[in-house]
Amino acid sequence: EDQVTQSPEALRLQEGESSSLNCSYTVSGLRGLFWYRQDPGKGPEFLFTLYSAGEEKEKERLKATLTKKESFLHITAPKPEDSATYLCAYYGQNFVFGPGTRLSVLP
Amino acid sequence: EAQVTQNPRYLITVTGKKLTVTCSQNMNHEYMSWYRQDPGLGLRQIYYSMNVEVTDKGDVPEGYKVSRKEKRNFPLILESPSPNQTSLYFCASSFGGPSGYTFGSGTRLTVV
Repeated sequence: EDQVTQSPEALRLQEGESSSLNCSYTVSGLRGLFWYRQDPGKGPEFLFTLYSAGEEKEKERLKATLTKKESFLHITAPKPEDSATYLCAYYGQNFVFGPGTRLSVLP
Repeated sequence: EAQVTQNPRYLITVTGKKLTVTCSQNMNHEYMSWYRQDPGLGLRQIYYSMNVEVTDKGDVPEGYKVSRKEKRNFPLILESPSPNQTSLYFCASSFGGPSGYTFGSGTRLTVV
């Protein structure tokens, strides 16, 4: 069965303390890997799509990378407003979402 | 503004009373989908539609119905809601295939 896992489940960082979130998947025929940000009680907000191993995308303090079996979301010098749950999803035959990583950035 | 609009945002209902959650998108997206989100279980797909009059089951379709009579609208129908359908529901749309979703703001449903 195709699966997506994310680690860590929760992460607390001090403002300015860089780190990475992991998304691992077992899937055949990956057609796209997606990252979303979700604030409490709101719908997920699209961040990035990655299509092939080696690809990287950047947006402000966030950079997403993709290998054959996992993706990383690197957060450089985070600010409190980066606090959210970050979801990854892969698209093979359909979308499958991971459980998310809850990020808290303390001032 | 490009968006997916869901209504209502909050709904409390009683077991067995039929309800409909509406979803509309203004981006001319072909693909629309409904998800439910529960603590510890993440986002799970209920139904999806690849185009008008084409709908298919997702991972957790039991107890739900959908219809796609127009491209922009994709209502979710609970014919006889039960307490285990208490959840946060999201409608989402995209151009289809491996393109990113735009999500609605969510509907928090409580069935008592």
